[in-house]
Amino acid sequence: EVQLVESGGGLVQPGGSLRLSCAASGFTFSNYAMSWVRQAPGKGLEWVSGISGSGGSTPYADSVKGRFTISRDNSKNTLYLQMNSLRAEDTAIYYCAKAWGSSWLSSCPDWGQGTLVSVSS
Amino acid sequence: EIVLTQSPGTLSLSPGERATLSCRASQGVSSSYLAWYQQKPGQAPRLLIYGASSRATGIPDRFSGSGSGTDFTLTISRLEPEDFAVYYCQHHGSSALTFGGGATVEIK
Repeated sequence: EVQLVESGGGLVQPGGSLRLSCAASGFTFSNYAMSWVRQAPGKGLEWVSGISGSGGSTPYADSVKGRFTISRDNSKNTLYLQMNSLRAEDTAIYYCAKAWGSSWLSSCPDWGQGTLVSVSS
Repeated sequence: EIVLTQSPGTLSLSPGERATLSCRASQGVSSSYLAWYQQKPGQAPRLLIYGASSRATGIPDRFSGSGSGTDFTLTISRLEPEDFAVYYCQHHGSSALTFGGGATVEIK
């Protein structure tokens, strides 16, 4: 059974940094691309970033480009999202989601339960 | 960038009724790259339909997807109590994953 467990969320001041993690199990992690998708309170879904199975392709949404960095450690079966220069508008639940295969350009059959990031002074 | 517009924003129906949700793309897209998700309060999204018309694992056959080009539809043939939720369409065929704004199916 696929399991994705996010952690690392919390309250941070504007301009601060946070690193999210997503621990994966139940599948061969390195064979699958992953994405981060966020949802602001009461709002819809917004794709943040994706990463190929090898880690060689790492696109970003324009809203986070230059501030967020996605990475993965296939030896630890873990996906990361380093978030710098955080803004109030980054406040959201952050979900990690697994792709169908090695390309991040994919629908997402599996999702974690999310971790809440709140940016406020 | 492709923009997905969902309508109606809210659909008020009774259990047993048929729900029809629309997703319109700002330009023609391949049906292979169109998916639908269901999200209930406090839960992560769940994939319902991929490739515009293929049901994901474990999805009941009362859910069906159709469409091509710019117009796609999610149909729930007979609403069950557990189907009242928010539904999102998604496109994944270009340089980003794009979601529609969502459509709520609420109990009338």
